Amino acid sequence: SQQGEEDPQALSIQEGENATMNCSYKTSINNLQWYRQNSGRGLVHLILIRSNEREKHSGRLRVTLDTSKKSSSLLITASRAADTASYFCAYILTGGGNKLTFGTGTQLKVEL
Amino acid sequence: DGGITQSPKYLFRKEGQNVTLSCEQNLNHDAMYWYRQDPGQGLRLIYYSQIVNDFQKGDIAEGYSVSREKKESFPLTVTSAQKNPTAFYLCASSSLTGTLHIDTIYFGEGSWLTVV
Repeated sequence: SQQGEEDPQALSIQEGENATMNCSYKTSINNLQWYRQNSGRGLVHLILIRSNEREKHSGRLRVTLDTSKKSSSLLITASRAADTASYFCAYILTGGGNKLTFGTGTQLKVEL
Repeated sequence: DGGITQSPKYLFRKEGQNVTLSCEQNLNHDAMYWYRQDPGQGLRLIYYSQIVNDFQKGDIAEGYSVSREKKESFPLTVTSAQKNPTAFYLCASSSLTGTLHIDTIYFGEGSWLTVV
């Protein structure tokens, strides 16, 4: 399977702490995206990082990409209870057309 | 409002029946996708389409069929051949860049299908 792996599968932190989620994939990619999903809802796009980029920021989000290690990380700083959700990485394999493959997801719970 | 509309939100199917899930987008996107999500799991690609009247199988196409007669619409039919159809179904769309790579993907709110 080309499905990526994310770790941890579940993460529970206190409000104000930072949350880090990791995504690994198996072959070369064109770009990698991170999405958020609240329970029973659709996915919301957070950030896209291209294969020639190493780091990208958006508000409290910081994404890194290490193509040599075939991995990416999502850092949420100063977490809030409203950040509680599942987070997924998604990527397009080089030569894979436009088939977007999703990772297995990390369930984040931010407690007050 | 621009976006992706999926309907119905909840659908119950009797065994042996075909059902069709609707997906409409008014974002003028070329590419459209259908994903299946099982509880606590990631998303698995069923079918995708990059242009009208053309579509490709994803990783779990068996028991499903699609059509793309209009740019805005990409309905998914869950046939009786799909043995375990109870799941959350998500439709998505994306524009294509100049190099025909997809950009950000936008999702609908999903449809819950339950077999009774």
